[in-house]
Amino acid sequence: DAGVIQSPRHEVTEMGQEVTLRCKPISGHNSLFWYRQTMMRGLELLIYFNNNVPIDDSGMPEDRFSAKMPNASFSTLKIQPSEPRDSAVYFCASSLGPTNTEAFFGQGTRLTVV
Amino acid sequence: GENVEQHPSTLSVQEGDSAVIKCTYSDSASNYFPWYKQELGKRPQLIIDIRSNVGEKKDQRIAVTLNKTAKHFSLHITETQPEDSAVYFCAATEGYSTLTFGKGTMLLVSP
Repeated sequence: DAGVIQSPRHEVTEMGQEVTLRCKPISGHNSLFWYRQTMMRGLELLIYFNNNVPIDDSGMPEDRFSAKMPNASFSTLKIQPSEPRDSAVYFCASSLGPTNTEAFFGQGTRLTVV
Repeated sequence: GENVEQHPSTLSVQEGDSAVIKCTYSDSASNYFPWYKQELGKRPQLIIDIRSNVGEKKDQRIAVTLNKTAKHFSLHITETQPEDSAVYFCAATEGYSTLTFGKGTMLLVSP
């Protein structure tokens, strides 16, 4: 397996534009997580899915952020409209279960909003 | 919810020295404590984990200790090498919710 695959690796966009980040989890993993990493706040959990169902989205900063998982092999994180403070590295991770098991991270998407 | 505090935020050691990173957690029900290593520009990767029924676990040069009474756990790296330079994250969960991560420790090993 190629591991968790994220795209794009880098994204530069102008404030106000829509941004869509994509993730393909490891085949057979039932849980998928979206994290945001910044120097100030570290690794923050935005949302996690179990069996394609959003279980906890309490970390989603505001209504500008939305996430979907239409099937077991694909998830998106959308920011609309984007703002400069959204600039961060966004990681997707997957695991066999939601807790007590190793989370495998993707390479991340470095988002810059100018 | 769980709260994980990690110290120090930065740690500089000479090659060959030992490094210790400490974390405390708030939820006494937490029972799984992984450590992740993130090299510059790379993804976090699990290096070792410990469960609450074990007090210590070792894997070559790295070891983790857990003190449930005091609610703290530590990562120990012996005979540090320059390739150990990275950011290390501790995390905790009670098994019903997702991992709560510490803020990370940047370890710099100087040759």
